Amino acid sequence: DVKVTQSSRYLVKRTGEKVFLECVQDMDHENMFWYRQDPGLGLRLIYFSYDVKMKEKGDIPEGYSVSREKKERFSLILESASTNQTSMYLCASSPANEKLFFGSGTQLSVL
Amino acid sequence: QKEVEQDPGPLSVPEGAIVSLNCTYSNSAFQYFMWYRQYSRKGPELLMYTYSSGNKEDGRFTAQVDKSSKYISLFIRDSQPSDSATYLCAMRFYGQNFVFGPGTRLSVLP
Repeated sequence: DVKVTQSSRYLVKRTGEKVFLECVQDMDHENMFWYRQDPGLGLRLIYFSYDVKMKEKGDIPEGYSVSREKKERFSLILESASTNQTSMYLCASSPANEKLFFGSGTQLSVL
Repeated sequence: QKEVEQDPGPLSVPEGAIVSLNCTYSNSAFQYFMWYRQYSRKGPELLMYTYSSGNKEDGRFTAQVDKSSKYISLFIRDSQPSDSATYLCAMRFYGQNFVFGPGTRLSVLP
């Protein structure tokens, strides 16, 4: 079975903190993605990666960065968390841009 | 006009009803279509995946794609309270990332 694991289900951080969201997939997929999901706005793509050490900006990359040092791991970094980054963060992976498989999500609250 | 449109609902139906969920889209280049189910505070779960036009059936679920009308549907037969969730459509064309609809919230009442 496909498995995408996000390290935290719920996270509470303070404004200005550096935040790391980790995602690991066990399916040897080339492609990994980070989305955020907000009520009324749906899923928005933050960053994606088609290979190790490779990253591409999605639709809303401002305030975020990513790291992909190993094929199975894709990290999302909030350099200086702000309250407007309070959201549900979803990691996904896919083989050669086929079907997307999602993790359970991390609900981040920035106070 | 948004690239993918979906009625947000909520849609409430009695248990056992046939549910029809729909998305319209504007980009005729889309070739790959998916439906996801998302329970509250969980990640989306892939339900159906279709390529190009036509129907696909899996148990109580049927996905339909009408490329000439730029319209896709998900039908749920004999709906159950456990089907209560938000349903997201997603689509893409070769070499591009997925585009998601905003989701339709469904409640199946016992």
